[in-house]
Amino acid sequence: DGGITQSPKYLFRKEGQNVTLSCEQNLNHDAMYWYRQDPGQGLRLIYYSQIVNDFQKGDIAEGYSVSREKKESFPLTVTSAQKNPTAFYLCATQVSANNSPLHFGNGTRLTVT
Amino acid sequence: DAKTTQPPSMDCAEGRAANLPCNHSTISGNEYVYWYRQIHSQGPQYIIHGLKNNETNEMASLIITEDRKSSTLILPHATLRDTAVYYCIVRVATMPSGNTPLVFGKGTRLSVIA
Repeated sequence: DGGITQSPKYLFRKEGQNVTLSCEQNLNHDAMYWYRQDPGQGLRLIYYSQIVNDFQKGDIAEGYSVSREKKESFPLTVTSAQKNPTAFYLCATQVSANNSPLHFGNGTRLTVT
Repeated sequence: DAKTTQPPSMDCAEGRAANLPCNHSTISGNEYVYWYRQIHSQGPQYIIHGLKNNETNEMASLIITEDRKSSTLILPHATLRDTAVYYCIVRVATMPSGNTPLVFGKGTRLSVIA
């Protein structure tokens, strides 16, 4: 979706380093989500945020942290505590209305060596 | 875990209808069925969603059985660009109101063949 920007598209880091993935949206959507995808697998939820200054853990939050200081931004930090950080990370947004669809960015592929 | 069951892969001839099945036998009365697709190395794209009535839009049709335990996504005239992984999702109602996260399974890999 043109209104969701994930940068960079490819990111390389050394093991033991924290790294922050960016997600910015200009859709004025209230909710934002971070998913992780491993090869041949579906998406797994890391964190989500319904409103500014509030967020909840998803199914695989360990080793990750987020912040939601602005409506437009929901950065994800992959910490050194995440055992298998190499993956494809997807950010999504959603309007506040119930049952509205998710809109996804084009993802960041993180490789940690 | 995902609340839906889909075949891991399907083939479809170009120009023919692609019918993608999904079982969601434990769906509750207020849960919607959503369909997304993901082309390689891109973010998933929303296709359609419904509650109990059949739905149609410019991309596809969604047929939900009367007991709501299964559904079928129909791409009426599949093209090579429809080759993707298709996800059927039932919304997890973890809160009484407001947005709830979507739980993605592994989906169906549809290959459209020329």
